[in-house]
Amino acid sequence: DVKVTQSSRYLVKRTGEKVFLECVQDMDHENMFWYRQDPGLGLRLIYFSYDVKMKEKGDIPEGYSVSREKKERFSLILESASTNQTSMYLCASRRGTGESYEQYFGPGTRLTVT
Amino acid sequence: KNQVEQSPQSLIILEGKNCTLQCNYTVSPFSNLRWYKQDTGRGPVSLTIMTFSENTKSNGRYTATLDADTKQSSLHITASQLSDSASYICVVSARAGSYQLTFGKGTKLSVIP
Repeated sequence: DVKVTQSSRYLVKRTGEKVFLECVQDMDHENMFWYRQDPGLGLRLIYFSYDVKMKEKGDIPEGYSVSREKKERFSLILESASTNQTSMYLCASRRGTGESYEQYFGPGTRLTVT
Repeated sequence: KNQVEQSPQSLIILEGKNCTLQCNYTVSPFSNLRWYKQDTGRGPVSLTIMTFSENTKSNGRYTATLDADTKQSSLHITASQLSDSASYICVVSARAGSYQLTFGKGTKLSVIP
């Protein structure tokens, strides 16, 4: 079974803090993704990575950066957390981009910025 | 603009009853359509994936249908159980080889005893 794990289920940070969210997958997938999920808005793509050290902006990259130094690990960084970044953050991974490739999600990190 | 619309937004049904959730999309070109189940506070879990050439796919009590001509899909749940209470999300991929998925906002299903 594919496992996507996220470092924290719940996180509370203060405005202005630097925040790291970590995601690890154990199936040697090339592609990894970070989404945020807000009530009434659905999932929105922040960043994705298709290879080590490669990254692409998604729909809402402002205020975020990412790092992928190893294939299995994809980190989301909030350089200076703000209250409007309070959200559920979901990491996902996928082997390829073919039609049948499944995308697997982690359990999510609920981040509260106060 | 690519969009995925789901209806209803929420639904309450009695345990043991059947229900059908709807998904309409305007994503073009179309590659595949996925249905996910998301329990409260958890990550989404895949139920089905259908490509352009498939018009039905089953996973236990879950059956998804796809009409690529009308750009509509439905998820039918048979003999609902309390554990079916969750949000169901319809997701469409624009083309094979694309990294981007377009997500619907989900239908929140509550199954009551």
